[in-house]
Amino acid sequence: NAGVTQTPKFQVLKTGQSMTLQCAQDMNHEYMSWYRQDPGMGLRLIHYSVGAGITDQGEVPNGYNVSRSTTEDFPLRLLSAAPSQTSVYFCASRPGLANEQYFGPGTRLTVT
Amino acid sequence: GQQVMQIPQYQHVQEGEDFTTYCNSSTTLSNIQWYKQRPGGHPVFLIQLVKSGEVKKQKRLTFQFGEAKKNSSLHITATQTTDVGTYFCAALNTSGTYKYIFGTGTRLKVLA
Repeated sequence: NAGVTQTPKFQVLKTGQSMTLQCAQDMNHEYMSWYRQDPGMGLRLIHYSVGAGITDQGEVPNGYNVSRSTTEDFPLRLLSAAPSQTSVYFCASRPGLANEQYFGPGTRLTVT
Repeated sequence: GQQVMQIPQYQHVQEGEDFTTYCNSSTTLSNIQWYKQRPGGHPVFLIQLVKSGEVKKQKRLTFQFGEAKKNSSLHITATQTTDVGTYFCAALNTSGTYKYIFGTGTRLKVLA
């Protein structure tokens, strides 16, 4: 099993550009989440999904969209990038409500 | 919304000294998880606590869940340089959603 994979590993965007961060897992996990990590802020939840076709907002959803058309994939879309979205983005999955989360390696995004 | 406070934010210790990080919530938690993130890496699950007053050990690491299930601690005995990293607690939101809320993390530096 590859676990949780994320692409790209690094990305530089200009303000106003849009892009999609990819996340995939091969463990057949129902729950998937997107977090952003900023210095001193810990991990903040952006969006999450409890199964294919079901998504909901986390703590900091503004400026981001998600969809979950399959169990395996959970892409995160930045609609119009802003410097405040410069961060490290982690995707995570888990098999059930109260199970451990498996994190991907992260995407380091810089918006200039 | 539910918040999880974690202290201290930073801790520098001499190799061989003990280390403790604390996680506190104003509301009762259904469970709490602990993760470790090495510098430049992604969070990795360490353990989950569910029962009031629960204590679990992993070699030099001791995890406790408070009797009121509002706080938790991670204690490392005789730190080693391999313990360097940031330690996060994460609590399952108890308001009917399926979100894990992370603490801000404690960054541990071990001086050889």
